[in-house]
Amino acid sequence: EAGVTQFPSHSVIEKGQTVTLRCDPISGHDNLYWYRRVMGKEIKFLLHFVKESKQDESGMPNNRFLAERTGGTYSTLKVQPAELEDSGVYFCASSQDLGRAQYFGPGTRLTVL
Amino acid sequence: RKEVEQDPGPFNVPEGATVAFNCTYSNSASQSFFWYRQDCRKEPKLLMSVYSSGNEDGRFTAQLNRASQYISLLIRDSKLSDSATYLCVVIKGGNTGKLIFGQGTTLQVKP
Repeated sequence: EAGVTQFPSHSVIEKGQTVTLRCDPISGHDNLYWYRRVMGKEIKFLLHFVKESKQDESGMPNNRFLAERTGGTYSTLKVQPAELEDSGVYFCASSQDLGRAQYFGPGTRLTVL
Repeated sequence: RKEVEQDPGPFNVPEGATVAFNCTYSNSASQSFFWYRQDCRKEPKLLMSVYSSGNEDGRFTAQLNRASQYISLLIRDSKLSDSATYLCVVIKGGNTGKLIFGQGTTLQVKP
């Protein structure tokens, strides 16, 4: 069974540009999560989808971040316009049921110059 | 105060040693507990879930003390391949599966 996949693995952009990250969860997992790790800090929650609905977006930093999961399959996370402090590693995770262990993708390393 | 606190280490131990990591969490309503392992520049990987009765998986033993809001991980007979960062992770519960991470404890096992 394929694990969680993310694309791209790396992205280097300039401040003010737009970047879109993609996550494909494990097949059959209704729960999809986005997390972020900025340098020197712990991994922090961004948001949680159940199928196509946003269950919890309390961790989204501001309105420059937009997450979607149309059709309840893959998800995208768009940052527009990117700022320097958005640099970090963005992880996607999925789980079959709420409260159960989550399985992480390899992450997208975003660098904003 | 951080919601999940861990000693960042590093813990430097020889092969074959037994090493223990501890973690405390601040929210008494937390419902699910895990240890994840993260290798350098890789994603977190589930090591084990932690149950109230304590659980063991090979050389790894996890314990949960709800009264003290304390979680532990014991690694016996350390291997070189155990070198990694160990993340203590908690789910608060309710309608969200939001994972709350500790900063991680770094383990370096030396020959």
